[in-house]
Amino acid sequence: DAGVIQSPRHEVTEMGQEVTLRCKPISGHNSLFWYRQTMMRGLELLIYFNNNVPIDDSGMPEDRFSAKMPNASFSTLKIQPSEPRDSAVYFCASSLGRDQPQHFGDGTRLSIL
Amino acid sequence: GQQLNQSPQSMFIQEGEDVSMNCTSSSIFNTWLWYKQDPGEGPVLLIALYKAGELTSNGRLTAQFGITRKDSFLNISASIPSDVGIYFCAGHRSYGGSQGNLIFGKGTKLSVKP
Repeated sequence: DAGVIQSPRHEVTEMGQEVTLRCKPISGHNSLFWYRQTMMRGLELLIYFNNNVPIDDSGMPEDRFSAKMPNASFSTLKIQPSEPRDSAVYFCASSLGRDQPQHFGDGTRLSIL
Repeated sequence: GQQLNQSPQSMFIQEGEDVSMNCTSSSIFNTWLWYKQDPGEGPVLLIALYKAGELTSNGRLTAQFGITRKDSFLNISASIPSDVGIYFCAGHRSYGGSQGNLIFGKGTKLSVKP
């Protein structure tokens, strides 16, 4: 079975540009999570969707960050405008429920110059 | 955000050695999970624990959910070179504003002894 699929794997762009990260969760999973991983802060939850509805976005750092889940098989995380401090690895994860084990994609390594 | 206390931060292994790492928290958790992350990849789930006192094995890996529900350990027996990587503990808290959110430890980095 296919796991969580993220794209792109790597993104390098100049500050001020819009960045869109994409995620396809595991089929049948109704919970989707976006995380950010840095050396300093480790893995941080940004936002959590249940049945395509954003439930908890308390981890979204600023209004520059937004996430959508238009259907059960696709989600996006957008940063506009991007800043160098946004550089990190962004992971998408999905699970059968909020308190069920989460399965991670391979991440998008984002570098903002 | 809240973090679990995971130790050790790093350790060196020699092939064949047993390895042990643990996570503690001041809060009670409903579940404990152990993940392994290789460079350039996402965390991969190794073991999931759901009950206090539960002891679960996955090959050479064994993990336990502490009786107090505030800690967990992971043991790797007879380590091999492909065991190197970063191991994360994670858990779901049983109460609080972030109830249900998965909280991660900062990881234990396993490397091969020079």
